[in-house]
Amino acid sequence: EIVLTQSPATLSLSPGERATLSCRASQSVNTSLAWYQQKPGQAPRLLIYDVSDRATGIPARFSGSGSGTDFTLTINSLESEDFSIYYCQQRSSWPPLFTFGPGTRVDLK
Amino acid sequence: QVQLQESGPGLVKPSETLSLTCTVSSGPFKNYYWSWIRQPPGKGLEWIGFIYYSGTTNYNPSLKSRLTMSVDPSKKQFSLRLRSVTAADTAIYYCARVKVATIHFDHWGQGTRVIVSS
Repeated sequence: EIVLTQSPATLSLSPGERATLSCRASQSVNTSLAWYQQKPGQAPRLLIYDVSDRATGIPARFSGSGSGTDFTLTINSLESEDFSIYYCQQRSSWPPLFTFGPGTRVDLK
Repeated sequence: QVQLQESGPGLVKPSETLSLTCTVSSGPFKNYYWSWIRQPPGKGLEWIGFIYYSGTTNYNPSLKSRLTMSVDPSKKQFSLRLRSVTAADTAIYYCARVKVATIHFDHWGQGTRVIVSS
């Protein structure tokens, strides 16, 4: 089973700053990595899939990068609505098994 | 607009069976892995398993021994049954979909809270 770790656990930033979130896989996931944003009381929302493709309606300030085992979600110029929890997620090729990272909380400094 | 809606009891007694159904409104039903994901209070996300429209399933190994999923394509519904529940199964349960040959959950239900308590 592939394990995802995320760092840092919490990131304290101010509006306008850049957020850099890391996700590391215990073995290569190639490009099978997605990112989600979750706000309190809401279901997660897909942000990024296939490492770097933005989902429909996601602002350009969100970007993803990486390959193999190390991935990054970058949020340029944080806006007030971006203070949330972010999860990475991978899928193994076959059989399809899905795992999530433990999450990174981005909160207001 | 694709919508997924979970339904089922919000309270289940320990050792009993948790049963939930997800209804999909609009959009195709084939070519998707219809999944369940849960989130214990204050914790992260755990994938439970998926079912394909044909009935093929794949479950999280950690839950496999207690889990059964079923599907009714004519009603665009799929269901989850988790046996022998304990307090550790208390969580928000989400249904979600993944298009076959992709890796990501693109649509989610709003979630339903299930508490396991006597």
